[in-house]
Amino acid sequence: NAGVTQTPKFQVLKTGQSMTLQCAQDMNHNSMYWYRQDPGMGLRLIYYSASEGTTDKGEVPNGYNVSRLNKREFSLRLESAAPSQTSVYFCASSVRTGKYQETQYFGPGTRLLVL
Amino acid sequence: SQKIEQNSEALNIQEGKTATLTCNYTNYSPAYLQWYRQDPGRGPVFLLLIRENEKEKRKERLKVTFDTTLKQSLFHITASQPADSATYLCAPQGRGGKLIFGQGTELSVKP
Repeated sequence: NAGVTQTPKFQVLKTGQSMTLQCAQDMNHNSMYWYRQDPGMGLRLIYYSASEGTTDKGEVPNGYNVSRLNKREFSLRLESAAPSQTSVYFCASSVRTGKYQETQYFGPGTRLLVL
Repeated sequence: SQKIEQNSEALNIQEGKTATLTCNYTNYSPAYLQWYRQDPGRGPVFLLLIRENEKEKRKERLKVTFDTTLKQSLFHITASQPADSATYLCAPQGRGGKLIFGQGTELSVKP
């Protein structure tokens, strides 16, 4: 099992450019998430998908769009990148371990620099 | 709004000692609380989950406590080793399922 994979590992964009971050999981998990991590801010939820075909906004969705392509894949799109979107982006998937309990499995991250 | 606070300063301890990390939360009543480990340049990895009706949970050298009155969780690593050096994130979880992550505490264990 590869777990959660993300591409690319690192990307440099100019302000205004667009790009899509790819995420895939091979653990047959229903739920998938996109987070950003900034120094001193912790992980902040951008969007999540509770199941194939559904997506919902998290804490910081502005400037992003997502697509749950199928059960395995969840992509994050920046339509017009801004320097404030410089961050490390993590994708995660989760498995339910109890009535409300979910344990999350994270990918290795994508480091994005917007100039 | 919900707020999660972890020690912002790095914790430096000597090998063999017990490391204790703190997680405080406000405006929140989580049903569960999870702890994750994050190494530099990598994604977080799940370590332990404790339920609101559990006072303490252990796994090998790790121990987590959960005090819903104080709104605090403590994470202990006994007999610490240099390999335990990492950033540790707490993540309270409500009944809706979504986690809210603290900013993490960096632990450095010196030989």
